[in-house]
Amino acid sequence: AQKVTQAQTEISVVEKEDVTLDCVYETRDTTYYLFWYKQPPSGELVFLIRRNSFDEQNEISGRYSWNFQKSTSSFNFTITASQVVDSAVYFCALSEAHGGGGSQGNLIFGKGTKLSVKP
Amino acid sequence: DGGITQSPKYLFRKEGQNVTLSCEQNLNHDAMYWYRQDPGQGLRLIYYSQIVNDFQKGDIAEGYSVSREKKESFPLTVTSAQKNPTAFYLCASSTNRGGSYNEQFFGPGTRLTVL
Repeated sequence: AQKVTQAQTEISVVEKEDVTLDCVYETRDTTYYLFWYKQPPSGELVFLIRRNSFDEQNEISGRYSWNFQKSTSSFNFTITASQVVDSAVYFCALSEAHGGGGSQGNLIFGKGTKLSVKP
Repeated sequence: DGGITQSPKYLFRKEGQNVTLSCEQNLNHDAMYWYRQDPGQGLRLIYYSQIVNDFQKGDIAEGYSVSREKKESFPLTVTSAQKNPTAFYLCASSTNRGGSYNEQFFGPGTRLTVL
């Protein structure tokens, strides 16, 4: 069965600290996609990154970086030199290419990690 | 500007009343989705539609209904059969090209409170 686990419910850091948000997934599909979304206090989810199961290269975008490891079924997200504006709930999600019943494209979300960055 | 709009932002309902949440998109996306978010629970899929005039139940469809008569619109009705409707509701859309590859774009959400 497919599942996404974000074991960290809440994390609090001081500005400029680095922080890593963990994501562990379960799937039997050989082709799948992993996503990270940010939900600021306004409520709207903002897409951050997509990774496919065949591409294990790490990715860096400014202060954000992602580490995808199929061997441990993990897709962790690191914010370097955190800022107050990074305070939000972050969701990891999984989409399977061969989901049954026409569910391809449906996202399975983790429960989210609430990040608080204090000045 | 292209995007997804949801209205109203806040909605109050008396017990036993049906209420309809609006979701409109001008991104020309084929697929649309409704999610429910409860505190500390992440997002759970209520209904989804991959094409006009067709929709499928998600994980928690009981007590909800939808329609998809137009590509741009995917309204959600919360019926009196929904036992615990107080929650934050998010609508999303995505292009169907590429299937599970495509990210979903989200609206600003509607917070429903049952009095």
